[in-house]
Amino acid sequence: GQQLNQSPQSMFIQEGEDVSMNCTSSSIFNTWLWYKQEPGEGPVLLIALYKAGELTSNGRLTAQFGITRKDSFLNISASIPSDVGIYFCAGRRNRDDKIIFGKGTRLHILP
Amino acid sequence: SQTIHQWPATLVQPVGSPLSLECTVEGTSNPNLYWYRQAAGRGLQLLFYSVGIGQISSEVPQNLSASRPQDRQFILSSKKLLLSDSGFYLCAWSVQTGSYEQYFGPGTRLTVT
Repeated sequence: GQQLNQSPQSMFIQEGEDVSMNCTSSSIFNTWLWYKQEPGEGPVLLIALYKAGELTSNGRLTAQFGITRKDSFLNISASIPSDVGIYFCAGRRNRDDKIIFGKGTRLHILP
Repeated sequence: SQTIHQWPATLVQPVGSPLSLECTVEGTSNPNLYWYRQAAGRGLQLLFYSVGIGQISSEVPQNLSASRPQDRQFILSSKKLLLSDSGFYLCAWSVQTGSYEQYFGPGTRLTVT
C-alpha cells in the first residue's frame, strides 16, 4: 500500500538549534498535514498545506508543500525544550482517499 | 469551538475480557469519525472510520469492532481481548467536506494482561 517515508526517525539537538525534517512519497499528494504528539497525548495539528509550493508558518514552525507534490518539509527555528515530541506528517492523494501517516520523527533536545 | 473526548484515559484488562472505549465530539455536526491504534513508539494505524450514524468501514481485519449509535458518538469494542490488543487508542474527527484535517482526542492507554 501507499506509504509516506518520514526522516529522520529521530533527532538529538541542542536547545536553540534549528530543526529540519521531511516526508516523501512515490506518488503525488494533494494535501500535507503536520502533527506533533507529546507523550501520553493525542497528536495536535500544527500546519495544513493544500497547494504545491505553499509555505506556511505557525510561530517558529514553517512547513512547505514540495513543488513536485511528492514531499513536504517541516522546519523549527530556535528550538526550545517544549518542542520535544514526535512529529508526524500525513498526506492525501486524491479527494476520495483517506489520510495516511508517516511513522514520525522523534525530536530530543539535549540540555 | 469543537472538542473531542475519550474515556477511559487508561484501562487494564485481562485477556479474554470485553472492551468498550467511547469517543464523543462536541461543537460540530455530522463529522467523519476515526479510530486509530498506536503501538509503543510507533506510527498510527487506522482501524475504523465512519461517515455517518451506523456507517462503519473497517481498515484492518482484527479482533475489534466499532459502532456509531449517535451522530457524535463512536465506540470501539471487543468481545474477547488479546494480548496484541494492547496499545494507545486514538479517536479523531474531521468535517465531512472541504477539509481533510483530522483532530485527535486525548487517547486511551489499553494494557491487556
